[in-house]
Amino acid sequence: SQQGEEDPQALSIQEGENATMNCSYKTSINNLQWYRQNSGRGLVHLILIRSNEREKHSGRLRVTLDTSKKSSSLLITASRAADTASYFCATTPQGGSEKLVFGKGTKLTVNP
Amino acid sequence: EPEVTQTPSHQVTQMGQEVILRCVPISNHLYFYWYRQILGQKVEFLVSFYNNEISEKSEIFDDQFSVERPDGSNFTLKIRSTKLEDSAMYFCASSEALGGGNTEAFFGQGTRLTVV
Repeated sequence: SQQGEEDPQALSIQEGENATMNCSYKTSINNLQWYRQNSGRGLVHLILIRSNEREKHSGRLRVTLDTSKKSSSLLITASRAADTASYFCATTPQGGSEKLVFGKGTKLTVNP
Repeated sequence: EPEVTQTPSHQVTQMGQEVILRCVPISNHLYFYWYRQILGQKVEFLVSFYNNEISEKSEIFDDQFSVERPDGSNFTLKIRSTKLEDSAMYFCASSEALGGGNTEAFFGQGTRLTVV
């Protein structure tokens, strides 16, 4: 599989439940970022975690990074209908490259 | 809150025509990028731009594509002779530093390009 693969591809939960999305990548990275995209709209930056960090919080978001397993998870607690969107991880490879490498995303549906 | 703005939001063009997509990055940012997302597919890197020159480009960014910062605020992507497969959402992004510098890249709302 390619750099930045999220799973599951789609997730449907009830409002108030927690949503966990995972991302795996292949090469060594400098950092990993999570983005959100409402249907057909722009990418909204959620959180950045550096390669030397293991966990980061921002409001209802919790991101973990395990560089030994080359994986990250995004947890959204107490989900709301407004959290319905696609969520993407994007990695910045080590070695001086500037590009973000995106996964295919997880489509999250939060049912009221 | 500062944001990246893109115009137009939607552009329809005939195959073979030239298009220019426009972006105004966040004012104190130094690094600018274009990405594209073909419907239902991943967001793909096209090009990065710093200090008035291309700093990195992908294999997608062939001779049909060019970028320019014509003044102190705009950043443009030109496609010289559009093909059907250029139909996609094009995103502009900017950051204070390179991705390797561990700073966030902020994206615009995108321009949906439809080539007919």
